[in-house]
Amino acid sequence: SQTIHQWPATLVQPVGSPLSLECTVEGTSNPNLYWYRQAAGRGLQLLFYSVGIGQISSEVPQNLSASRPQDRQFILSSKKLLLSDSGFYLCAWGPDQDQYFGPGTRLLVL
Amino acid sequence: AQSVTQPDIHITVSEGASLELRCNYSYGATPYLFWYVQSPGQGLQLLLKYFSGDTLVQGIKGFEAEFKRSQSSFNLRKPSVHWSDAAEYFCAVGGGSNYKLTFGKGTLLTVNP
Repeated sequence: SQTIHQWPATLVQPVGSPLSLECTVEGTSNPNLYWYRQAAGRGLQLLFYSVGIGQISSEVPQNLSASRPQDRQFILSSKKLLLSDSGFYLCAWGPDQDQYFGPGTRLLVL
Repeated sequence: AQSVTQPDIHITVSEGASLELRCNYSYGATPYLFWYVQSPGQGLQLLLKYFSGDTLVQGIKGFEAEFKRSQSSFNLRKPSVHWSDAAEYFCAVGGGSNYKLTFGKGTLLTVNP
């Protein structure tokens, strides 16, 4: 069966520091991969999605970037964090229209 | 552009009572519709989905949803709510070739003993 992992689970970072969040999927190949951010009371905001290695689409212009160095690995990065980057970051994978979510990373920028 | 509206931000029901969570969507073609549930601090779990066929869809944990094209709705129902159903529920719509989903802002369900 397929499983999705995210780490770290929780992260506290100072403003201006770099960020790297990792997501990996096991038990499948060539999945669609997604990064979402969830802020309190604002639902889920799609940040990036990838339908294959080297294919990454950005939904919201901001200081975040995404990479897919391997088929089942999706990285969310930032060179300099802003206070507004605080939130709950969710990675998801999908074979087609379905999406299955990881446990999330809680990021607090101080 | 596709969109999802969940009109109820917060619903409170008593344990054992029936439940209906509303979802209205806007989509230019045949939609793929989903309901997810999220417990505090956790990821989202897929409850059920509708792609085609029977408009009444059964899901996990005793939930069901009915697709009504004429009303652009996909409401989630459960005949008898358990305390463990307290969570936030998200409706989502998709169907494009880019496999993107658009989520509603969620409905928080509180269950009273």
